[in-house]
Amino acid sequence: DVKVTQSSRYLVKRTGEKVFLECVQDMDHENMFWYRQDPGLGLRLIYFSYDVKMKEKGDIPEGYSVSREKKERFSLILESASTNQTSMYLCASSLGLAGADTQYFGPGTRLTVL
Amino acid sequence: RKEVEQDPGPFNVPEGATVAFNCTYSNSASQSFFWYRQDCRKEPKLLMSVYSSGNEDGRFTAQLNRASQYISLLIRDSKLSDSATYLCVVTPFSGGYNKLIFGAGTRLAVHP
Repeated sequence: DVKVTQSSRYLVKRTGEKVFLECVQDMDHENMFWYRQDPGLGLRLIYFSYDVKMKEKGDIPEGYSVSREKKERFSLILESASTNQTSMYLCASSLGLAGADTQYFGPGTRLTVL
Repeated sequence: RKEVEQDPGPFNVPEGATVAFNCTYSNSASQSFFWYRQDCRKEPKLLMSVYSSGNEDGRFTAQLNRASQYISLLIRDSKLSDSATYLCVVTPFSGGYNKLIFGAGTRLAVHP
């Protein structure tokens, strides 16, 4: 079974703080993704990575950066957290990049920025 | 206009009922289609892929209508455990990276 883990289930930070969200997958998947999920908007792609040290912007990259130094680990960084970044953050991984490849999600991190 | 639109629900149905959800997508070049299921406060999980010929998995049937650009999910003999949010998912390209476009989800509540 694919396992995707995220470092925290709940996180509370203050405006302006630097925030790190960590994601680890144990199935040697090439591709990893970061989404945020907001009511009424569904999941939106922030960034993804198809290889170590490689990254691509998704639909809403502004205010975020990512790091992938090891294949199994993909970090999302909020350089200066703002209240509009309060959301559920979901990490996912997939073996390939084809449209039919299943993405496996981690349990999510609910981030609140005060 | 959203790329993938779903009726948010909630659909409140009794156990044993048959319920159907529809989803429309705006990009006629969309290639792959899926239904994901998300339980309350949990992560989304793939429920089933959707093919033009339709596909069935036990009590669940998914259909794709490319001409009208909609996808449907039919659940027969609903169980309490079917209560969840069902996410319609589309990939816009045949090549390139595996970008999934998610609908906002349809909430189903099955009651005794």
